[in-house]
Amino acid sequence: GQQVMQIPQYQHVQEGEDFTTYCNSSTTLSNIQWYKQRPGGHPVFLIQLVKSGEVKKQKRLTFQFGEAKKNSSLHITATQTTDVGTYFCADSNFGNEKLTFGTGTRLTIIP
Amino acid sequence: AAGVIQSPRHLIKEKRETATLKCYPIPRHDTVYWYQQGPGQDPQFLISFYEKMQSDKGSIPDRFSAQQFSDYHSELNMSSLELGDSALYFCASSLGESQYFGPGTRLTVL
Repeated sequence: GQQVMQIPQYQHVQEGEDFTTYCNSSTTLSNIQWYKQRPGGHPVFLIQLVKSGEVKKQKRLTFQFGEAKKNSSLHITATQTTDVGTYFCADSNFGNEKLTFGTGTRLTIIP
Repeated sequence: AAGVIQSPRHLIKEKRETATLKCYPIPRHDTVYWYQQGPGQDPQFLISFYEKMQSDKGSIPDRFSAQQFSDYHSELNMSSLELGDSALYFCASSLGESQYFGPGTRLTVL
C-alpha cells in the first residue's frame, strides 16, 4: 500500500531559525495537502498543492510540490514560538476523499 | 464560524464495553470522515460518508460501525473495546478540497 514518509521525525530549532520538513511518497501523489496539529489539538488545514512543480507561499511558509509529484516540502522562515506543532503532509486521493497522512514532523522551538 | 463538534471530548471505558462517539459536521458539508490517532502517530482513516451513504472504508475493525443520520450528524459505535483502542478519534467534514477536523474524542480503555 501507499506509504507517505516525512523527515525529520523531530526538529528542534532556535527561535528565528528556519525549518524544513520533507514528504516522500512511494507512489505518485494526486494532490498534497499540509496540516498543522498543535500539541493537544486537532489537524488544521494549511494548503493544497495540485500541479507538478507548484510553489505556494503563506507569509513565512513556503510549500513545494515535486516535479514527479512524489514529494513535497514545507519551509518556514524565521520560526516563531507559535509555529510549534506537528506538521503533516497528506495525500488527498484526488480531492474530497480520505486522507493518507505522512508520518509527521514534530517541531519544537527553543526560545 | 461554526466548527465540527464532537462529543464526548473524553471517554473512559473498561475492556469489553461499548462506546458511542458523536460528530456534528459543519452545516452544508456533504462528507464526514472518521480518523483514529494513536499516541505519537499520524491519523489513520477509518470510514467516510457522503450524503449519508458510506463512501469509503479504511482499516476499521469489524467491532466498529458507523452511520450518518438524516440531520447529517454521524456516530461511531465501538464494541468489545480493547486496550489498543485507546486513542484520539477525530471526525472531519468537507465540502471540497480541505477537511475541517473536530477537537476529537480521547478514548481511554482500561
